[in-house]
Amino acid sequence: ELKVEQNPLFLSMQEGKNYTIYCNYSTTSDRLYWYRQDPGKSLESLFVLLSNGAVKQEGRLMASLDTKARLSTLHITAAVHDLSATYFCAVEMEYGNKLVFGAGTILRVKS
Amino acid sequence: KAGVTQTPRYLIKTRGQQVTLSCSPISGHRSVSWYQQTPGQGLQFLFEYFSETQRNKGNFPGRFSGRQFSNSRSEMNVSTLELGDSALYLCASSIGVGYTDTQYFGPGTRLTVL
Repeated sequence: ELKVEQNPLFLSMQEGKNYTIYCNYSTTSDRLYWYRQDPGKSLESLFVLLSNGAVKQEGRLMASLDTKARLSTLHITAAVHDLSATYFCAVEMEYGNKLVFGAGTILRVKS
Repeated sequence: KAGVTQTPRYLIKTRGQQVTLSCSPISGHRSVSWYQQTPGQGLQFLFEYFSETQRNKGNFPGRFSGRQFSNSRSEMNVSTLELGDSALYLCASSIGVGYTDTQYFGPGTRLTVL
């Protein structure tokens, strides 16, 4: 059974600081997704990582995938308050859009 | 391009009742997946439909069922509701084929079972 673990589960950081969220998964997969969820809202797609060594960047967020280590990271650079949200990683268990989600990381950026 | 829409957005039911939720995918998308989100269990996959056929199923009891119509719209039904069914139900649509396929989520239906 595929398990996806995120850490930390809660992250409080100051504006302007850098930090990394980690996503480990237990079985082989080469498709990993990062989503953002604001309180009371749905999931917004941030990144789709499709191969080993994939790196994608959007603004202050950068995601990478190491399929051999079964690890993805979401790096936050110079955090701003608007980045406060819950971030989920999800691994595709098998072809057919069956995603297994991590527990989510609640990010709070303090001014 | 319109996003994924779900109706109703909020629903209150009592134990033992049944409920039907609806999801309209993005135009051109043929795959619809359903997820349940609760504080205790997080986001869990329910099932996925592609071209009117169930292609994948999660570990939920048979009280949870779904279907997809020829226009790709999908419905999810929960019979004999239990208190533990209270959750945010999210549907996601995607093209359904191709290695770079991405799922786009709707706003969700908040179901409360009393």
